[in-house]
Amino acid sequence: NAGVTQTPKFQVLKTGQSMTLQCAQDMNHNSMYWYRQDPGMGLRLIYYSASEGTTDKGEVPNGYNVSRLNKREFSLRLESAAPSQTSVYFCASSTGEVESPLHFGNGTRLTVT
Amino acid sequence: EDQVTQSPEALRLQEGESSSLNCSYTVSGLRGLFWYRQDPGKGPEFLFTLYSAGEEKEKERLKATLTKKESFLHITAPKPEDSATYLCAVRDYNTDKLIFGTGTRLQVFP
Repeated sequence: NAGVTQTPKFQVLKTGQSMTLQCAQDMNHNSMYWYRQDPGMGLRLIYYSASEGTTDKGEVPNGYNVSRLNKREFSLRLESAAPSQTSVYFCASSTGEVESPLHFGNGTRLTVT
Repeated sequence: EDQVTQSPEALRLQEGESSSLNCSYTVSGLRGLFWYRQDPGKGPEFLFTLYSAGEEKEKERLKATLTKKESFLHITAPKPEDSATYLCAVRDYNTDKLIFGTGTRLQVFP
Protein backbone atom coordinates (compact mmCIF):
# COMPACT_ATOMS: atom_id res chain seq x y z
CA ASN A 1 0.00 0.00 0.00
CA ALA A 2 2.00 3.00 -1.30
CA GLY A 3 -0.26 5.84 -0.06
CA VAL A 4 0.60 9.05 -1.95
CA THR A 5 3.32 8.82 -4.60
CA GLN A 6 4.99 11.85 -6.15
CA THR A 7 7.34 12.06 -9.13
CA PRO A 8 9.98 13.25 -9.68
CA LYS A 9 11.78 13.50 -6.33
CA PHE A 10 14.18 16.21 -7.54
CA GLN A 11 14.13 18.62 -10.48
CA VAL A 12 16.26 21.54 -11.64
CA LEU A 13 14.77 23.96 -14.16
CA LYS A 14 15.99 27.08 -15.88
CA THR A 15 13.86 30.21 -15.68
CA GLY A 16 11.08 30.02 -18.27
CA GLN A 17 11.05 26.24 -18.61
CA SER A 18 7.90 24.25 -17.94
CA MET A 19 7.27 20.99 -16.13
CA THR A 20 4.55 18.85 -14.58
CA LEU A 21 4.68 17.31 -11.13
CA GLN A 22 2.79 14.05 -10.87
CA CYS A 23 0.85 12.71 -7.89
CA ALA A 24 -1.13 9.51 -7.41
CA GLN A 25 -2.92 8.06 -4.38
CA ASP A 26 -4.18 4.53 -3.81
CA MET A 27 -6.38 5.16 -0.75
CA ASN A 28 -9.58 5.85 -2.73
CA HIS A 29 -9.62 9.39 -1.34
CA ASN A 30 -11.95 12.00 -2.81
CA SER A 31 -9.87 15.12 -2.17
CA MET A 32 -6.35 15.95 -3.29
CA TYR A 33 -4.10 18.94 -2.62
CA TRP A 34 -0.87 20.60 -3.70
CA TYR A 35 1.22 22.46 -1.11
CA ARG A 36 4.57 24.18 -1.16
CA GLN A 37 6.93 24.31 1.81
CA ASP A 38 9.50 27.07 2.17
CA PRO A 39 11.97 27.67 5.04
CA GLY A 40 10.43 29.64 7.89
CA MET A 41 6.91 29.37 6.48
CA GLY A 42 4.10 26.95 7.11
CA LEU A 43 2.84 24.71 4.35
CA ARG A 44 0.87 26.84 1.89
CA LEU A 45 -1.96 25.53 -0.28
CA ILE A 46 -1.53 26.06 -4.02
CA TYR A 47 -4.56 24.25 -5.47
CA TYR A 48 -6.94 21.57 -4.35
CA SER A 49 -9.51 19.22 -5.81
CA ALA A 50 -12.42 18.46 -3.52
CA SER A 51 -13.61 15.66 -5.78
CA GLU A 52 -12.96 14.21 -9.22
CA GLY A 53 -13.82 16.80 -11.85
CA THR A 54 -13.36 19.88 -9.65
CA THR A 55 -10.36 22.09 -8.86
CA ASP A 56 -10.05 25.29 -6.85
CA LYS A 57 -7.39 27.86 -6.06
CA GLY A 58 -5.69 27.89 -2.71
CA GLU A 59 -3.62 30.54 -1.00
CA VAL A 60 -0.79 30.84 -3.58
CA PRO A 61 -2.07 29.74 -7.05
CA ASN A 62 -0.27 32.26 -9.28
CA GLY A 63 2.09 30.64 -11.79
CA TYR A 64 0.56 27.17 -11.43
CA ASN A 65 -2.13 25.07 -13.07
CA VAL A 66 -3.57 21.72 -12.04
CA SER A 67 -5.40 18.79 -13.59
CA ARG A 68 -7.42 16.17 -11.75
CA LEU A 69 -6.91 13.39 -14.27
CA ASN A 70 -9.09 10.85 -12.45
CA LYS A 71 -9.85 9.94 -8.84
CA ARG A 72 -6.28 8.72 -8.26
CA GLU A 73 -4.17 11.34 -10.02
CA PHE A 74 -3.67 15.09 -9.54
CA SER A 75 -0.91 16.93 -11.43
CA LEU A 76 0.64 20.36 -10.93
CA ARG A 77 2.04 22.27 -13.90
CA LEU A 78 4.48 25.17 -13.95
CA GLU A 79 4.11 26.82 -17.37
CA SER A 80 7.04 29.24 -17.10
CA ALA A 81 9.17 28.57 -14.04
CA ALA A 82 10.54 31.45 -11.97
CA PRO A 83 13.20 31.43 -9.22
CA SER A 84 10.44 32.29 -6.70
CA GLN A 85 8.99 28.84 -7.39
CA THR A 86 12.06 27.14 -5.93
CA SER A 87 10.52 25.11 -3.13
CA VAL A 88 9.56 21.66 -1.93
CA TYR A 89 6.18 20.61 -3.30
CA PHE A 90 3.92 18.17 -1.47
CA CYS A 91 0.85 16.41 -2.73
CA ALA A 92 -1.71 15.25 -0.18
CA SER A 93 -5.03 13.46 -0.14
CA SER A 94 -7.93 13.02 2.26
CA THR A 95 -11.38 11.47 2.40
CA GLY A 96 -12.79 14.97 1.93
CA GLU A 97 -14.52 15.23 5.28
CA VAL A 98 -13.38 18.45 6.94
CA GLU A 99 -12.33 16.65 10.12
CA SER A 100 -10.22 14.12 8.26
CA PRO A 101 -6.40 14.46 8.25
CA LEU A 102 -4.30 14.90 5.14
CA HIS A 103 -1.95 12.15 4.00
CA PHE A 104 1.18 13.46 2.31
CA GLY A 105 3.61 12.20 -0.29
CA ASN A 106 7.35 12.57 0.17
CA GLY A 107 7.67 15.69 -1.93
CA THR A 108 9.42 17.05 -5.01
CA ARG A 109 12.39 19.33 -4.41
CA LEU A 110 12.40 21.90 -7.24
CA THR A 111 15.17 24.38 -7.95
CA VAL A 112 14.71 27.11 -10.58
CA THR A 113 17.91 28.85 -11.67
CA GLU B 1 -6.79 36.84 11.08
CA ASP B 2 -6.31 33.09 11.43
CA GLN B 3 -2.90 32.29 12.85
CA VAL B 4 -0.97 29.28 14.16
CA THR B 5 2.24 29.80 16.14
CA GLN B 6 4.53 27.01 17.29
CA SER B 7 7.19 27.30 19.97
CA PRO B 8 10.00 26.79 20.47
CA GLU B 9 11.39 26.84 16.92
CA ALA B 10 14.01 24.29 17.92
CA LEU B 11 14.50 22.07 20.95
CA ARG B 12 17.47 19.93 21.94
CA LEU B 13 16.89 17.23 24.53
CA GLN B 14 18.97 14.55 26.15
CA GLU B 15 17.56 11.06 25.78
CA GLY B 16 15.04 10.53 28.59
CA GLU B 17 14.54 14.27 29.22
CA SER B 18 10.80 14.94 28.95
CA SER B 19 9.47 18.21 27.52
CA SER B 20 6.55 19.87 25.73
CA LEU B 21 5.99 21.59 22.39
CA ASN B 22 3.41 24.36 22.09
CA CYS B 23 0.94 25.27 19.33
CA SER B 24 -1.12 28.39 19.95
CA TYR B 25 -3.87 29.36 17.52
CA THR B 26 -6.27 32.14 16.65
CA VAL B 27 -9.29 31.12 14.60
CA SER B 28 -12.94 32.14 14.61
CA GLY B 29 -13.90 28.61 15.57
CA LEU B 30 -12.00 25.33 15.81
CA ARG B 31 -13.06 22.40 13.66
CA GLY B 32 -9.97 20.37 14.41
CA LEU B 33 -6.31 20.60 15.40
CA PHE B 34 -3.84 18.22 13.77
CA TRP B 35 -0.33 17.18 14.78
CA TYR B 36 2.13 15.84 12.20
CA ARG B 37 5.70 14.55 12.36
CA GLN B 38 8.07 15.34 9.48
CA ASP B 39 11.42 13.62 9.00
CA PRO B 40 14.11 15.24 6.80
CA GLY B 41 13.38 14.70 3.12
CA LYS B 42 9.95 13.21 3.83
CA GLY B 43 6.36 14.40 3.84
CA PRO B 44 4.45 15.12 7.05
CA GLU B 45 3.09 12.02 8.77
CA PHE B 46 -0.21 12.31 10.61
CA LEU B 47 -0.11 11.77 14.40
CA PHE B 48 -3.28 13.07 16.09
CA THR B 49 -6.50 15.00 15.66
CA LEU B 50 -8.03 16.93 18.57
CA TYR B 51 -11.48 18.47 18.36
CA SER B 52 -12.45 20.06 21.66
CA ALA B 53 -10.90 21.61 24.76
CA GLY B 54 -9.92 19.02 27.33
CA GLU B 55 -9.36 16.27 24.79
CA GLU B 56 -6.15 14.19 24.98
CA LYS B 57 -4.63 11.63 22.61
CA GLU B 58 -1.63 9.35 23.21
CA LYS B 59 0.72 7.35 21.03
CA GLU B 60 3.80 5.69 22.52
CA ARG B 61 5.87 8.51 24.11
CA LEU B 62 3.68 11.29 22.71
CA LYS B 63 0.60 12.85 24.28
CA ALA B 64 -1.33 15.73 22.73
CA THR B 65 -3.64 17.98 24.74
CA LEU B 66 -5.95 20.82 23.75
CA THR B 67 -7.27 23.98 25.40
CA LYS B 68 -9.36 26.77 23.88
CA LYS B 69 -6.27 28.67 22.71
CA GLU B 70 -3.42 26.15 22.45
CA SER B 71 -2.30 22.58 22.18
CA PHE B 72 0.70 20.87 23.75
CA LEU B 73 2.60 17.88 22.48
CA HIS B 74 4.21 16.24 25.50
CA ILE B 75 7.16 13.95 24.87
CA THR B 76 7.93 11.58 27.73
CA ALA B 77 11.40 10.02 28.01
CA PRO B 78 12.26 10.75 24.37
CA LYS B 79 14.60 8.59 22.30
CA PRO B 80 16.87 9.66 19.43
CA GLU B 81 14.35 8.24 16.95
CA ASP B 82 11.86 10.89 18.11
CA SER B 83 14.07 13.51 16.45
CA ALA B 84 11.98 15.22 13.74
CA THR B 85 10.08 18.41 13.01
CA TYR B 86 6.62 18.46 14.57
CA LEU B 87 3.95 20.43 12.73
CA CYS B 88 0.63 21.70 14.02
CA ALA B 89 -2.32 22.61 11.78
CA VAL B 90 -5.70 24.10 12.62
CA ARG B 91 -8.91 24.00 10.59
CA ASP B 92 -11.14 27.03 10.93
CA TYR B 93 -14.77 26.12 11.60
CA ASN B 94 -16.28 28.90 9.50
CA THR B 95 -13.98 28.91 6.47
CA ASP B 96 -12.77 25.26 6.52
CA LYS B 97 -9.34 26.72 5.83
CA LEU B 98 -6.41 24.63 7.14
CA ILE B 99 -3.54 26.71 8.56
CA PHE B 100 -0.14 25.20 9.28
CA GLY B 101 2.40 26.39 11.82
CA THR B 102 6.09 26.56 10.95
CA GLY B 103 6.99 23.63 13.18
CA THR B 104 9.29 22.75 16.07
CA ARG B 105 12.53 20.99 15.17
CA LEU B 106 13.28 18.45 17.89
CA GLN B 107 16.70 16.83 18.33
CA VAL B 108 17.18 14.10 20.93
CA PHE B 109 20.76 13.16 21.79
CA PRO B 110 21.85 9.81 23.32
